Amino acid sequence: DGGITQSPKYLFRKEGQNVTLSCEQNLNHDAMYWYRQDPGQGLRLIYYSQIVNDFQKGDIAEGYSVSREKKESFPLTVTSAQKNPTAFYLCASRQGNSPLHFGNGTRLTVT
Amino acid sequence: KQEVTQIPAALSVPEGENLVLNCSFTDSAIYNLQWFRQDPGKGLTSLLLIQSSQREQTSGRLNASLDKSSGRSTLYIAASQPGDSATYLCAVSSTNAGKSTFGDGTTLTVKP
Repeated sequence: DGGITQSPKYLFRKEGQNVTLSCEQNLNHDAMYWYRQDPGQGLRLIYYSQIVNDFQKGDIAEGYSVSREKKESFPLTVTSAQKNPTAFYLCASRQGNSPLHFGNGTRLTVT
Repeated sequence: KQEVTQIPAALSVPEGENLVLNCSFTDSAIYNLQWFRQDPGKGLTSLLLIQSSQREQTSGRLNASLDKSSGRSTLYIAASQPGDSATYLCAVSSTNAGKSTFGDGTTLTVKP
C-alpha cells in the first residue's frame, strides 16, 4: 500500500541533544512538508520541499533543519537551538493540486 | 499572511443530528481547500478537497462547500454517528503544491 511512514512513533531526548525524525513516502510525490502540532492547536509549517535538493522555510523554521536528497525521503532534525521542541510532528506529501497526505506522526518529548 | 479560523472550537450533538462546521480564511486568493479528520494521537485523514474553481464536493454523508469571495467553507455532516467523533481541520493552499495554512480545528463529540 502506498503511504507515508514516520518513525519512530515516540521519541524521548534530553535537552541539548539534536534528534532526527524520519519521513519516507512511496507515493511518488514531488512535494513534502513538515508540520508541528501543539495540544489543542492546529498545524504550523516548519519546512517544505517541492522538489529534490530544494526546500523552503515555513512559518516556524528556527531551530530545525531538513534535507531532501531523495524524492522519497525528507528527514527533519530538531536541534538544541529549538526552544520548545516537545510536540507532535507530522510529515505530509502531495503531487500538484492533489490532496495532502499525512503520516501518523512522531511524538517528541524533550526533558 | 493567510489566517484560517474554525468556529466553534468544540461541538457536542446527539446521534442522528445533522451539523455544520465552519472554516473562514482571510485571503481569498486560494488554490484549494481541504477538510481533514484527526483522531486523538493520530495523523490527519483527508476527507474532501475543493479546488478554487469548484463550489462543493460530496463524499457519502459529507458535503463541503466553498465560497471564495466571502472567504468561507462549510463541512456538512448528515445523520451524525458516534464514530464521527474527532477533530475536524480545514486547510487552504495558496499555490499549486505550495504550503497549506491550517485552522485550529473543531472537536466534535457525537453522543449515542
